[in-house]
Amino acid sequence: ETGVTQTPRHLVMGMTNKKSLKCEQHLGHNAMYWYKQSAKKPLELMFVYSLEERVENNSVPSRFSPECPNSSHLFLHLHTLQPEDSALYLCASSRLTGGGTGELFFGEGSRLTVL
Amino acid sequence: EDQVTQSPEALRLQEGESSSLNCSYTVSGLRGLFWYRQDPGKGPEFLFTLYSAGEEKEKERLKATLTKKESFLHITAPKPEDSATYLCAVQGPGGSYIPTFGRGTSLIVHP
Repeated sequence: ETGVTQTPRHLVMGMTNKKSLKCEQHLGHNAMYWYKQSAKKPLELMFVYSLEERVENNSVPSRFSPECPNSSHLFLHLHTLQPEDSALYLCASSRLTGGGTGELFFGEGSRLTVL
Repeated sequence: EDQVTQSPEALRLQEGESSSLNCSYTVSGLRGLFWYRQDPGKGPEFLFTLYSAGEEKEKERLKATLTKKESFLHITAPKPEDSATYLCAVQGPGGSYIPTFGRGTSLIVHP
């Protein structure tokens, strides 16, 4: 496998469910990101994990919980979501050392629908 | 705070009709400007990185240029398969490696 892989590609959940999105990168990168993309809105950075540091957007509700067990895997745990959380969730990775450090490589996204 | 403004918001072209997309940015000490292509329902795909004013990069029908205040993505003789949303992002100086994205330009090329 190559690149950044996200699963599941589509997810429908009720407001009381608990689910997780998974991301795996095979590029040897050392930073991983979660972005939210809603219709007609710009990409919204949610969380970043890099070199054992976590950066988070303070506006992200606590019902979203990230986990990064190692530099290749990233999870987004979802619980008691709201319908307005329906969006495309994108995972990305990048390299923090050497050339090309600002280039993000994205997965295909997980389309989440909250009923 | 870094800012990125893309225009137009949407652009419709006929096949073969060349045009340009604009990305204006405000950043104190640009480390890199990035262009991405995003197809509906998919993640953005990296296209180019530009580092300094005067730099140009090309890929097939796309050519990206950079000045001290803006970048242009020129599309020459576009085809319907070039239809997508094009995103611009900038990376500022220092330890801030996280890029700032614009809202994108939605391009539709009619056959």
